[in-house]
Amino acid sequence: QKEVEQDPGPLSVPEGAIVSLNCTYSNSAFQYFMWYRQYSRKGPELLMYTYSSGNKEDGRFTAQVDKSSKYISLFIRDSQPSDSATYLCAFRNTGGFKTIFGAGTRLFVKA
Amino acid sequence: GAGVSQSPSNKVTEKGKDVELRCDPISGHTALYWYRQSLGQGLEFLIYFQGNSAPDKSGLPSDRFSAERTGGSVSTLTIQRTQQEDSAVYLCASSLRGLNIVGTGGKHFGPGTRLTVL
Repeated sequence: QKEVEQDPGPLSVPEGAIVSLNCTYSNSAFQYFMWYRQYSRKGPELLMYTYSSGNKEDGRFTAQVDKSSKYISLFIRDSQPSDSATYLCAFRNTGGFKTIFGAGTRLFVKA
Repeated sequence: GAGVSQSPSNKVTEKGKDVELRCDPISGHTALYWYRQSLGQGLEFLIYFQGNSAPDKSGLPSDRFSAERTGGSVSTLTIQRTQQEDSAVYLCASSLRGLNIVGTGGKHFGPGTRLTVL
């Protein structure tokens, strides 16, 4: 079993739709849960992170962590064409430096 | 301010040749990481430098790969006798500290070097 599973997509939605991106993981020691956004030909940039469990909201973006199910989600409300990118989930232990990344989901938001 | 920069942005080489990839981290960042991103794959950790400590090389896939960081700043990733399976985007990232990402915005990635081995 892979340590992190993420559907590569692509996921295509119309502008204004609610987008749901998900990852599952197997390592119960993960405490930092992150989402990175990567535009084409660019490096990933940290979008949101959550420590331990719960929800976090930042503008149109909401990150959710369900540690009991080892499942994390990123929701994008009122999606825009500028949200078109690859979204990578990422995980880390407390006190560690190694970040484990998902393969990324390619998202296309059509105008 | 300036972000992480990498050079070259693209590199095409022939199988068996050596290549050097360069990373200039954000000034003041003590932690530096190299990752490899292949099509359809997640970011694969290669090596981690933290200050003057010995680097963690546990992610390097073979002894053909090596990296150094001079003066705690610029880093060079060297791949000797390149193989076609080395073709990927090589990403460098830096952060204020290796362990604590809270409040530091996480890792700051460069744009990557796209390596193609023919």
